[in-house]
Amino acid sequence: ETGVTQTPRHLVMGMTNKKSLKCEQHLGHNAMYWYKQSAKKPLELMFVYNFKEQTENNSVPSRFSPECPNSSHLFLHLHTLQPEDSALYLCASSAAGGTSTDTQYFGPGTRLTVL
Amino acid sequence: AQSVAQPEDQVNVAEGNPLTVKCTYSVSGNPYLFWYVQYPNRGLQFLLKYITGDNLVKGSYGFEAEFNKSQTSFHLKKPSALVSDSALYFCAYDRGSTLGRLYFGRGTQLTVWP
Repeated sequence: ETGVTQTPRHLVMGMTNKKSLKCEQHLGHNAMYWYKQSAKKPLELMFVYNFKEQTENNSVPSRFSPECPNSSHLFLHLHTLQPEDSALYLCASSAAGGTSTDTQYFGPGTRLTVL
Repeated sequence: AQSVAQPEDQVNVAEGNPLTVKCTYSVSGNPYLFWYVQYPNRGLQFLLKYITGDNLVKGSYGFEAEFNKSQTSFHLKKPSALVSDSALYFCAYDRGSTLGRLYFGRGTQLTVWP
């Protein structure tokens, strides 16, 4: 599990705050992902980055802004969130090229609560 | 719509008994199928995957799954359950696009009682 780390593990923020989630992978992978896990709903893919380039935005509201400065780091910048954005945000990474047969390895997640 | 379904929200098994967590898929072509497990306050851990080849896939912690194309199923099994297997299990698929895109089922909570 230490292959993919996420900070902070817990975050409480108001609707007018700006905060960022950080993900770091130590596996030498080149693809990174953000997922949202809400209660009673399946995990939802939010963003995909491959070799630092965004390759998927799964119709995510603009109040979520991803950033991938290099293949090891992925950020999710948050601003003017809504209470319904409260969820567990999971980061994952997979091997070079991020092809479909590659296994995705997940971090422990950041539990976000929006007041 | 393409999807995977986990028909049981909850599965309860006695320790030492065999366990099965069900997954069926509705995906065109030849899907790639995965099983992940999530322990409380933890991220998802990979258990096993089916890409092609032998229909019986063996994974971590003694788990295995059988790909059944005629029944469009990919059930997760273990011959002898442990209390420590209690967790939330997710089935997922990838349609085989150029880049990995996992789509998950709703999850099945497995409880193994002593």
